[in-house]
Amino acid sequence: KAGVTQTPRYLIKTRGQQVTLSCSPISGHRSVSWYQQTPGQGLQFLFEYFSETQRNKGNFPGRFSGRQFSNSRSEMNVSTLELGDSALYLCASRLNGFEQYFGPGTRLTVT
Amino acid sequence: AQSVTQLDSHVSVSEGTPVLLRCNYSSSYSPSLFWYVQHPNKGLQLLLKYTSAATLVKGINGFEAEFKKSETSFHLTKPSAHMSDAAEYFCVVSVPSGNTPLVFGKGTRLSVIA
Repeated sequence: KAGVTQTPRYLIKTRGQQVTLSCSPISGHRSVSWYQQTPGQGLQFLFEYFSETQRNKGNFPGRFSGRQFSNSRSEMNVSTLELGDSALYLCASRLNGFEQYFGPGTRLTVT
Repeated sequence: AQSVTQLDSHVSVSEGTPVLLRCNYSSSYSPSLFWYVQHPNKGLQLLLKYTSAATLVKGINGFEAEFKKSETSFHLTKPSAHMSDAAEYFCVVSVPSGNTPLVFGKGTRLSVIA
């Protein structure tokens, strides 16, 4: 089975712009979670989607949003980018159990 | 609420010597616990998991961890370090229902010296 894929792998944006990141889960997995990883804050949970519905949400501003499609693929969007949004954004999928399987991440740099 | 404390931010060992990465957890429920590894510029890979079965859990690449409820610990060990083990390791806690977010520790960077 193919693993979790994320596109693009690298992205450079300017402050004030918006960005959309994409995640394709492992086939059959209906849950997709997003995390932000920075050197200072570590891994922080953004949100989780299950069957196109947001099931959980972390403590991030409304500039961070996401959605999930009927084929379980997910996108996250960050509007009005700030320098502090520079991070590795990780997507993870799971079937029914507790363990999550992570993609390689998208490295976002905001200048 | 759940939380995880990784007691060392950096551990350095010589190749062929044992590895010990320490993790303490706090949970209102009987937790599920995981160790993930992250190599540079890579995503996270699941090493092993504890979900209320055997307290000694064996994972991939020779790693194992022991769940000790009395000490609220879930330390990761490996008898003999290999150069390829150099990476960042994360201890993670979740509640048994699985429908809540994972809570990650801050990570421990493992260096392996030749």
